[in-house]
Amino acid sequence: SQTIHQWPATLVQPVGSPLSLECTVEGTSNPNLYWYRQAAGRGLQLLFYSVGIGQISSEVPQNLSASRPQDRQFILSSKKLLLSDSGFYLCAWKLWAGRSVDTQYFGPGTRLTVL
Amino acid sequence: DQQVKQNSPSLSVQEGRISILNCDYTNSMFDYFLWYKKYPAEGPTFLISISSIKDKNEDGRFTVFLNKSAKHLSLHIVPSQPGDSAVYFCAAHSNSGYALNFGKGTSLLVTP
Repeated sequence: SQTIHQWPATLVQPVGSPLSLECTVEGTSNPNLYWYRQAAGRGLQLLFYSVGIGQISSEVPQNLSASRPQDRQFILSSKKLLLSDSGFYLCAWKLWAGRSVDTQYFGPGTRLTVL
Repeated sequence: DQQVKQNSPSLSVQEGRISILNCDYTNSMFDYFLWYKKYPAEGPTFLISISSIKDKNEDGRFTVFLNKSAKHLSLHIVPSQPGDSAVYFCAAHSNSGYALNFGKGTSLLVTP
């Protein structure tokens, strides 16, 4: 069966510090991978998605970046965190289903607090 | 631009009664609709989905209804249980889309 891991589970960082969040998927090959953020009082905002190694699409311009160095690894980074980067970060995966419902499966999330 | 809207941020229901969570969308190109359930500090888990060619899909206590002409869908939970207390997200996508469009969620509280 497939599993998705995220770490760390919680993170407290000062403004201006760098960020690296990691997501890995097991039990599947060539998944589509996604980074979402849930800010306080808001829904799930798609940040990045990737359909393959080295292929990253950005949905929202900001000071975050994403990379996919391996098939089942997705990394979210920042060179300098802002207060507004605080939130709950979720990684998700799915297999391309063609003309069918597109169920994404989410990891446990990382709670990031920027002080 | 919020293409999927959940206009009720919260809902409180007594145990054993029906919970009805509503969702509206603006994009007529959406082909599939999904509901996710989320507990605090956890990732969302998939509940149920419906294709735009159907108007109802049922899975145990959960039923999703779709009204394409009104661009509206709803999730019915019958009977509601305290363990159903969570935030419920409505999501949608088109056949050609890579990503899900999520609503802001509705927090359901089921009281004993």
